[in-house]
Amino acid sequence: EAQVTQNPRYLITVTGKKLTVTCSQNMNHEYMSWYRQDPGLGLRQIYYSMNVEVTDKGDVPEGYKVSRKEKRNFPLILESPSPNQTSLYFCASSLGAGGHNEQFFGPGTRLTVL
Amino acid sequence: AQKVTQAQTEISVVEKEDVTLDCVYETRDTTYYLFWYKQPPSGELVFLIRRNSFDEQNEISGRYSWNFQKSTSSFNFTITASQVVDSAVYFCALSGEDNYGQNFVFGPGTRLSVLP
Repeated sequence: EAQVTQNPRYLITVTGKKLTVTCSQNMNHEYMSWYRQDPGLGLRQIYYSMNVEVTDKGDVPEGYKVSRKEKRNFPLILESPSPNQTSLYFCASSLGAGGHNEQFFGPGTRLTVL
Repeated sequence: AQKVTQAQTEISVVEKEDVTLDCVYETRDTTYYLFWYKQPPSGELVFLIRRNSFDEQNEISGRYSWNFQKSTSSFNFTITASQVVDSAVYFCALSGEDNYGQNFVFGPGTRLSVLP
């Protein structure tokens, strides 16, 4: 089954404790991205990756890191989480950038930073 | 820059009423794509529709219909005879055809509550 998986689905942590949210897709997609969803703001892109070892900032990259060492995985790293990073996070993948490519979303990760 | 506006933050209707969710977009691209997603209380994003900028035909799928008007840069979504299961947050999104860089721009969402 074609899918995007994220782990963990729920996470409560404390300020400053490094964490990683994993994202994996099984569709051999080149394009992957991370979004955060906040009330009244919709989804905003954090980082995206055009292919292995190619990543770039989205609209709200501050406080986040990503890596793309393998095509299927695109982890989101919070080196020193803060309460303003409490949010619902979505990973997505598609064959390429551009709206003509169907975008597949993961189930979401709800992060709370105390 | 691309932008999507959903002016209705929250809408409440009684079951069986028709409801229209508004979406207005801004883009300089001549080729672009518009989307609607549904986010039920469980939190996942459910794809509803994608239209490209060259196809202005309205579309109907069961109780759902979409009205795309380039002249007013709008892509409105109507639910006919609403049901309680339609209660969700609905997002309108816009994407260009650019094969480099950022992908989707989402609107802020409209929370629809359908009351029994």
